[in-house]
Amino acid sequence: KAGVTQTPRYLIKTRGQQVTLSCSPISGHRSVSWYQQTPGQGLQFLFEYFSETQRNKGNFPGRFSGRQFSNSRSEMNVSTLELGDSALYLCASSSGPSGFSGNTIYFGEGSWLTVV
Amino acid sequence: GESVGLHLPTLSVQEGDNSIINCAYSNSASDYFIWYKQESGKGPQFIIDIRSNMDKRQGQRVTVLLNKTVKHLSLQIAATQPGDSAVYFCAEIETGGGADGLTFGKGTHLIIQP
Repeated sequence: KAGVTQTPRYLIKTRGQQVTLSCSPISGHRSVSWYQQTPGQGLQFLFEYFSETQRNKGNFPGRFSGRQFSNSRSEMNVSTLELGDSALYLCASSSGPSGFSGNTIYFGEGSWLTVV
Repeated sequence: GESVGLHLPTLSVQEGDNSIINCAYSNSASDYFIWYKQESGKGPQFIIDIRSNMDKRQGQRVTVLLNKTVKHLSLQIAATQPGDSAVYFCAEIETGGGADGLTFGKGTHLIIQP
């Protein structure tokens, strides 16, 4: 069974540009969450999607958005990139909504974003 | 084995020794806890989880202990191997639908000395 797949793995963008990251969850998983990891702030929750609906959102500005498709694949978008957006963006999947009993949460390898 | 304080950025142990990584969690309502291992350049890898109705759970070479009274979680790794070198994160979540995702600790870098 394939794990959580994220693309692209590495990318470099310029300030002011926008970026779209993609995530394919484990087959059969319907919940996808996104996290940002930086050396200074650690791992921080961005948002979660379940059955194409955003369940909850972390404390990030509106420049960060996402969506989930009917096949459970998800994308996140960051508009008007800032230098501080440079980070590892991690996608996690689980069979049900994050944290519900029995729903182990698995992470992908992440997308490394560098903003210059 | 070597016991560490509640948060120690780096823990160095001899290969073959037992290691204990500690974590203090913040939300007394959290009832599901997970330990992840993150190797350099990779995403977090699930190691073991525990629910609040348990105080101990064992896996292969790993044991997680939960003390809800003092909001403390620990990960014990038996007979450490070079492949255990990584950063270890604890994560907590309050199940039931209202949580904003997992809350992660700052991580402990485990170094295995030959």
